[in-house]
Amino acid sequence: DGGITQSPKYLFRKEGQNVTLSCEQNLNHDAMYWYRQDPGQGLRLIYYSQIVNDFQKGDIAEGYSVSREKKESFPLTVTSAQKNPTAFYLCASSLAATDTQYFGPGTRLTVL
Amino acid sequence: AQSVSQHNHHVILSEAASLELGCNYSYGGTVNLFWYVQYPGQHLQLLLKYFSGDPLVKGIKGFEAEFIKSKFSFNLRKPSVQWSDTAEYFCAVNAPYNQGGKLIFGQGTELSVKP
Repeated sequence: DGGITQSPKYLFRKEGQNVTLSCEQNLNHDAMYWYRQDPGQGLRLIYYSQIVNDFQKGDIAEGYSVSREKKESFPLTVTSAQKNPTAFYLCASSLAATDTQYFGPGTRLTVL
Repeated sequence: AQSVSQHNHHVILSEAASLELGCNYSYGGTVNLFWYVQYPGQHLQLLLKYFSGDPLVKGIKGFEAEFIKSKFSFNLRKPSVQWSDTAEYFCAVNAPYNQGGKLIFGQGTELSVKP
């Protein structure tokens, strides 16, 4: 069963803690992306990776970090430096940059 | 910088009414255009896309969109909506390859269809 998986579905974090969101794809896609969704603002790009061992900042990268050690995995860490981390986080992948992006089910992060 | 604008934040229609959701983008070069849909509690799904060719694109569930280059628009249409079309709809544009091909999204339009 091909697709993109994100875990966990819901995540609660105390202020001051780092937390890592998982994103895995078995579509053999080269490019992967992390977006943040807030009500009334659409989706905004956090980080993207066009190839293994390479990634670039998106529009709202402050307070986040990523790694791309394997083609199928692109975890996102939300650090304590992120001022307003409560949001819905979506991971996406595409065969290559500018190809159609497919999205995972998302992780809803709540900071308590 | 590229941007995408969706004209309506919330649209309320009765079943069988016709739908048109507006989308305008600002970028003078070649673009790929998308409409995504997010049904309540579900994944963001691709509704339709335009890369090149016929500017009238047909998607899933009876949706279509027309790319009008001179107006920088990519409006979504459906002749007769159903209650099951209740969802949030997002228009998006690809940035060029040298910007990672990221998607630039509009703010989204929430569609509520009354039975």
